[in-house]
Amino acid sequence: QSALTQPPSVSGAPGQRVTISCTGSSSNIGAGYDVHWYQQLPGTAPKVLIFGNSYRPSGVPDRFSGSKSGTSAYLAITGLQAEDEADYYCQSYDSRPVFGGGTKLTVL
Amino acid sequence: EVQLVQSGAEVKKPGESLRISCKGSGNSFPNYWITWVRQMPGKGLEWIGMVDPRDSYTNYSPSFQGHVIISADKSISTAYLQWSSLKTSDTAIYYCARHTYYGSGSQFRFDPWGQGTMVTVSS
Repeated sequence: QSALTQPPSVSGAPGQRVTISCTGSSSNIGAGYDVHWYQQLPGTAPKVLIFGNSYRPSGVPDRFSGSKSGTSAYLAITGLQAEDEADYYCQSYDSRPVFGGGTKLTVL
Repeated sequence: EVQLVQSGAEVKKPGESLRISCKGSGNSFPNYWITWVRQMPGKGLEWIGMVDPRDSYTNYSPSFQGHVIISADKSISTAYLQWSSLKTSDTAIYYCARHTYYGSGSQFRFDPWGQGTMVTVSS
């Protein structure tokens, strides 16, 4: 049972916008700890997509954005592309680092 | 650009011991904590624990405490994850990742990640 809850799957057509939620509690996200998002393409290692709730590392397209409100965080992807099909994980801190269960994004 | 290069895939039998490694490039390796993450087949990411290469201080997830040992040798910029007695349930991909601090320096993200080491435990 992950401390952070994500929907197991989301889907969208090319060009559409999708949002992935990450729901925590008062001991992690709600306590003020930042949320990071990682993208894991099939057969590869995860890479950071969003850090500090809403910051994009250099090289990450601005189609990806992050936000945080209360005990939840959100990853939004606009202008969906086929290469966005991957697993997405949120991560925060709750006396130790914790991950969400992951969300599989399918591009229809 | 910092890179973490992990050791190759391993196939072991239950009860055997194993140590896998994660080598960092550049001379800044000792200045950053290293974390280990498990990904069981078809499953999500699980945080195992972390090590400070400067003094080898470690912190473990309660789920893994007592079953694995994390260590580091700063002289060769390498972190390790080891088992003394493997179980079939240890079959997974294991990733190392560096703690990269940002902002005021009190919080960190995992960046970069190693390429992963596949460990297969089967009789």
